[in-house]
Amino acid sequence: DIQMTQSPSSLSASVGDRVTITCRASQSISSYLNWYQQKPGKAPKLLIYGASTLQSGVPSRFSGSGSGTDFTLTISSLNPEDFASYYCQQSYSAVTFGGGTKVAIK
Amino acid sequence: EVQLVQSGAEVKKPGESLKISCKGSGYSFSTYWIYWVRQLPGKGLEWMGRIDPSDSYTNYSPSFQGHVTISADKSLTTAYLQWRSLQASDTAMYYCARRDYSASRNDYNDYWGQGTLVTVSS
Repeated sequence: DIQMTQSPSSLSASVGDRVTITCRASQSISSYLNWYQQKPGKAPKLLIYGASTLQSGVPSRFSGSGSGTDFTLTISSLNPEDFASYYCQQSYSAVTFGGGTKVAIK
Repeated sequence: EVQLVQSGAEVKKPGESLKISCKGSGYSFSTYWIYWVRQLPGKGLEWMGRIDPSDSYTNYSPSFQGHVTISADKSLTTAYLQWRSLQASDTAMYYCARRDYSASRNDYNDYWGQGTLVTVSS
């Protein structure tokens, strides 16, 4: 099984901050990496697929990069509605999610 | 409009059976795989398995193989997740999600159901 390790598991940030979340795969997964946002009590929402392609309707302050084993989700300027949990997901071999990153208000 | 609508919350006792549903609408149901994802209280997302509604081919995570059954009825545009004998540790939110894929065959889940909360308690 491919393991996905996200870091940090949580962070505190202020509105307007640049936030970076990383995801590392236990083996190369090419660009088969997706990012989701989940708010409390809600279903996850797709933000980015294929490591760097923004899903339709997702604000451009979200971006993704990386390939192979190391990936990054960046929020260029944190908005109040961005306080949520974020998950990476690999789809190279079956499916595995990362452990999640909770972005909280500082 | 694409929608996945899941059945309502369930409260069950250990050892009981359960089948929850996920009804797709607004798209060709047979064309897109359905995934099931578990979320334990306060925890992260876990992939359970998936089904191709066109032929009911299934694929399970090793962590869930043998404990749950995924099925689908394409005539009803509905996928199901079933337990024969629930345990307290099955208490969780369960989500279904539609699988789409990019030109490079990267799978992703673009639409999700609202979730079904399953509580197992004596």
